[in-house]
Amino acid sequence: QVQLQESGPGLVKPSETLSLTCNVSGGSISSYFWSWIRQPPGKGLEWLGFIYYSGVTDYNPSLNSRVTLSIDTSKNQFSLRLSPVTAADTATYYCARSAVARPGFNYFNVWGQGTLVTVSS
Amino acid sequence: DIVMTQSPDSLAVSLGERATINCKSSQSVLFSSNNENYLGWYQQKPGQPPKLLIFRASTRESGVPDRFSGSGSGTDFTLTISSLQPEDVAVYFCQQYFTTPLTFGGGTKVEIK
Repeated sequence: QVQLQESGPGLVKPSETLSLTCNVSGGSISSYFWSWIRQPPGKGLEWLGFIYYSGVTDYNPSLNSRVTLSIDTSKNQFSLRLSPVTAADTATYYCARSAVARPGFNYFNVWGQGTLVTVSS
Repeated sequence: DIVMTQSPDSLAVSLGERATINCKSSQSVLFSSNNENYLGWYQQKPGQPPKLLIFRASTRESGVPDRFSGSGSGTDFTLTISSLQPEDVAVYFCQQYFTTPLTFGGGTKVEIK
């Protein structure tokens, strides 16, 4: 079965760039929509954006163009860049896969375990 | 953006009793061409990622116990746990996937009374 694993620095300085990678195992990345979702400590869930294997992306406008997603099908992984960051970007970041490999069915049946990223100097 | 509002923020229910969680969307998430409600429900336990319980407002994900059920249409939805079990203690979120940006409700914490 498909498994997702986030990796990247757990501490980022304010005004710098948060970079995370999600490794996909047990299945091909070359279908489905792949998302990043975050959750500040003790709070709710915020969708950041998704990327299709073709490279098509859709981002949450609330991030004010600070987010960029990319995909590397040869490595079976996709990545998140968020820049510049502030303390408000401190959160657990999850990568997730949409349940259906068709547009418009973006609910998530596969999630990574999440990685906590703290923004602090 | 479609705003998802859940109520209550928390509830305490006795073991074996019914728990009911409400979710209201700021606009309809019913897709008229296929008559499907683009609404999902998730369960999140401490230290774990969310787990999909329900999609299409009322379809249980494979492996989800049948004590979990979803109902509603348009803008008003309900998640019901018919007989609360100890392992159901968690936070529950609704999510609309009718349009982007995808949005979640604020969550409802379910505890044992």
